[in-house]
Amino acid sequence: GQNIDQPTEMTATEGAIVQINCTYQTSGFNGLFWYQQHAGEAPTFLSYNVLDGLEEKGRFSSFLSRSKGYSYLLLKELQMKDSASYLCAVMDSNYQLIWGAGTKLIIKP
Amino acid sequence: IAGITQAPTSQILAAGRRMTLRCTQDMRHNAMYWYRQDLGLGLRLIHYSNTAGTTGKGEVPDGYSVSRANTDDFPLTLASAVPSQTSVYFCASSSSAGTDTQYFGPGTRLTVL
Repeated sequence: GQNIDQPTEMTATEGAIVQINCTYQTSGFNGLFWYQQHAGEAPTFLSYNVLDGLEEKGRFSSFLSRSKGYSYLLLKELQMKDSASYLCAVMDSNYQLIWGAGTKLIIKP
Repeated sequence: IAGITQAPTSQILAAGRRMTLRCTQDMRHNAMYWYRQDLGLGLRLIHYSNTAGTTGKGEVPDGYSVSRANTDDFPLTLASAVPSQTSVYFCASSSSAGTDTQYFGPGTRLTVL
């Protein structure tokens, strides 16, 4: 079967750095997406990785290792507005997104 | 530009009733999707459409139907609602099917009693 694993919840301090991990087992791989979802709102796109390595976009970076079936999202200089759920999703061989259950990130002052 | 709109925002429905959730996008995207989101689970694909006039089944299609008469609209119909269809429903679209980024509507919160 297809499976995406990410921690259910994480807590971090304002101004700090946090790394949210995602491991996957899917039938085929056509890229990995990270989305942010604030409570009661729609998911919004953060990043897309299809090749191994680190993609940096402002305070957010995303890393991919295809051989290990592993990705992480790195958030720097945390702000209170970063409190949200972070969703990892893999595009499988049928070009359908398989979603993890999401990691709820709690930022404390 | 509104992007993607969904209606209604929320709905309480008696079991056995028929319900259509509406989704409209103004980005001229070819591909559209319907997902449901339940607590503790990832988003699950219900149905999708790669282009106007075509539809396909996702991971959890039973009890749902869709149509894609034009580029902009992608309604989702529950023919006879059951309590297990209580969920938050998101419509999404992408420029084309494949690896293009999917953009989501605000969602419809549906409760079936």
